[in-house]
Parts: sequence; C-alpha cells; structure tokens
Amino acid sequence: GNSVTQMEGPVTLSEEAFLTINCTYTATGYPSLFWYVQYPGEGLQLLLKATKADDKGSNKGFEATYRKETTSFHLEKGSVQVSDSAVYFCALSDAGNDMRFGAGTRLTVKP
Amino acid sequence: NAGVTQTPKFQVLKTGQSMTLQCAQDMNHEYMSWYRQDPGMGLRLIHYSVGAGITDQGEVPNGYNVSRSTTEDFPLRLLSAAPSQTSVYFCASRQGAHGYTFGSGTRLTVV
Repeated sequence: GNSVTQMEGPVTLSEEAFLTINCTYTATGYPSLFWYVQYPGEGLQLLLKATKADDKGSNKGFEATYRKETTSFHLEKGSVQVSDSAVYFCALSDAGNDMRFGAGTRLTVKP
Repeated sequence: NAGVTQTPKFQVLKTGQSMTLQCAQDMNHEYMSWYRQDPGMGLRLIHYSVGAGITDQGEVPNGYNVSRSTTEDFPLRLLSAAPSQTSVYFCASRQGAHGYTFGSGTRLTVV
C-alpha cells in the first residue's frame, strides 16, 4: 500500500539557516504530494503541493519538487525564521480518498 | 469564516461511555475524513466519506462509527470509550485533488 517516510526530528536550527526535511514515498500509482504545517494547538494547514512528476510546489519561501525517479518530495527553505517553528507533515494522495501522512518532523528555530 | 468546525475542543470520558464528535464544513466539499493524531505516529485515517450517504473505513476504524446524512456534517461516534482512544481527533474536508482543510481538533482523554 501507499506510505510516506519522513526524517525523524526534532530539528533545531538557528534563524536564517537552510532547512531540508526529507520525505520519500511508496505508491502504486501516480499520487499527488503535499506538505502540511501544524502550529501548536492547531490543526494542519496545507503548505504546498505537487500533482505530477517534476512539479515544484512553493509557498511562504518553502519549496518541494516531486521527484519520481527518487520517489521523494523534500521540503526546503533558504532562510528559516523563528515563526517557522512547527511540525511539518509530508503526505500523499492517490486517485481515491486515501491521504497518507508521514509521522511529522518538529522544527524549532532559535533566534 | 469558511472552514471546518469541530466540537468540542476538549473532552474527558470515562471508560465505557459513548459520545459524538461533531464536524461541519461550509465549503460544499465532497470528501470528508476523520483522523487521529498520536505522538510519533502521524495522522491515521479512521473513516472517510466521498459524499452524502457514502462512508468507508480507513486504517483504524474499530470502535468508531460515522454517518454522512448531509454534505456539511460528518459526526464521529465512539461507541464504548477505551483508554486506547485517548488522542487528538481531526476532521478534514477537500474537493477533488486539492489538499485537505482541517478543523482545529478535539483533544479526547479516556480515563
């Protein structure tokens, strides 16, 4: 079945550092890929998505590229801020309604 | 504001009690789902619905029931609460291949 594996956290960075959170997936078809962000005490919010190979999703300085050859969708940001501290979830969805989430990666950015 | 509304935000139950978690969306989305979030396990799908009158089981359906009598509402029922159901529950909705919109969650403790 479909599954998502993302790097374990927690990740701690200094402000303005470069961020990479790795995400790889297993899927039988051609899924859409997503990154969600969860701030403390809140639900998940869609951060970005990509629906086909080589698509790049981007939002708020975050980017991720759908790499079919490596089955990956790594999240990157060039310069993180304290306000980026949150838990980040990678997810995939195939033609059905079955959206699968990774375990989440907690990011803490220190000033 | 448009979105997904969950009630209650917090609940404490005794083992064996039953209750219903409410979820309503006002975006006319077809798909609605219930997830539970546990530390280190990401989000796991409990039940989902692809439209009014249609529901199906997800990864962890045991101990939960759902119904979808209208497009807007998708309540989750706990039949006989157990400590293993202590978790944070999220309702989410989406349309087609778009990402989910999540509610703010219900934190449930079963003692």
